[in-house]
Amino acid sequence: GAGVSQSPSNKVTEKGKDVELRCDPISGHTALYWYRQSLGQGLEFLIYFQGNSAPDKSGLPSDRFSAERTGGSVSTLTIQRTQQEDSAVYLCASGDNRGETQYFGPGTRLLVL
Amino acid sequence: QKEVEQNSGPLSVPEGAIASLNCTYSDRGSQSFFWYRQYSGKSPELIMSIYSNGDKEDGRFTAQLNKASQYVSLLIRDSQPSDSATYLCAVNRDGNNRLAFGKGNQVVVIP
Repeated sequence: GAGVSQSPSNKVTEKGKDVELRCDPISGHTALYWYRQSLGQGLEFLIYFQGNSAPDKSGLPSDRFSAERTGGSVSTLTIQRTQQEDSAVYLCASGDNRGETQYFGPGTRLLVL
Repeated sequence: QKEVEQNSGPLSVPEGAIASLNCTYSDRGSQSFFWYRQYSGKSPELIMSIYSNGDKEDGRFTAQLNKASQYVSLLIRDSQPSDSATYLCAVNRDGNNRLAFGKGNQVVVIP
């Protein structure tokens, strides 16, 4: 079946602009995660959604970052007033209701000039 | 101490040899452990999961878990050039489904 999809695959923006990144999880998966991977670094947890529960936002680096998940499926990660240090690959993953096994999308490569 | 540490630098192994990767974690309450493979420019791909002490084998891959010593390792037998990638260790702490990742180990298999 279809895997996790993300759009856009690449995004170049100017410092100070807002960006929205989209994630379509695997159909039926109730868990959805956002991670960030900077060049040469490991994955940094950002936010976790599980079903209708309140999201775990503990990884969001600042109040410029927010995410929502509509209808328990598609998720959007929004970065306001982007900074150059926001440049990274943003990865989305989804999992079943146990959530332990996570399947990653192809990522969005964000470059802030 | 970082949650998940993978300290070794790039690992070069000749084709057909065994590649051995190690990972240590800080939270003794961790329950689930995963190895992901990430090719350059691609997203991580799950290759192994392990939950109990001991060895778990899947094809040419063997994961080893020792909760008392807080380490998990990955062995790749009969290494192939297609195994050249970065291998990420991930740990799920206390069942809260947040995976903590190590920085990864790059493996280069030399034909």
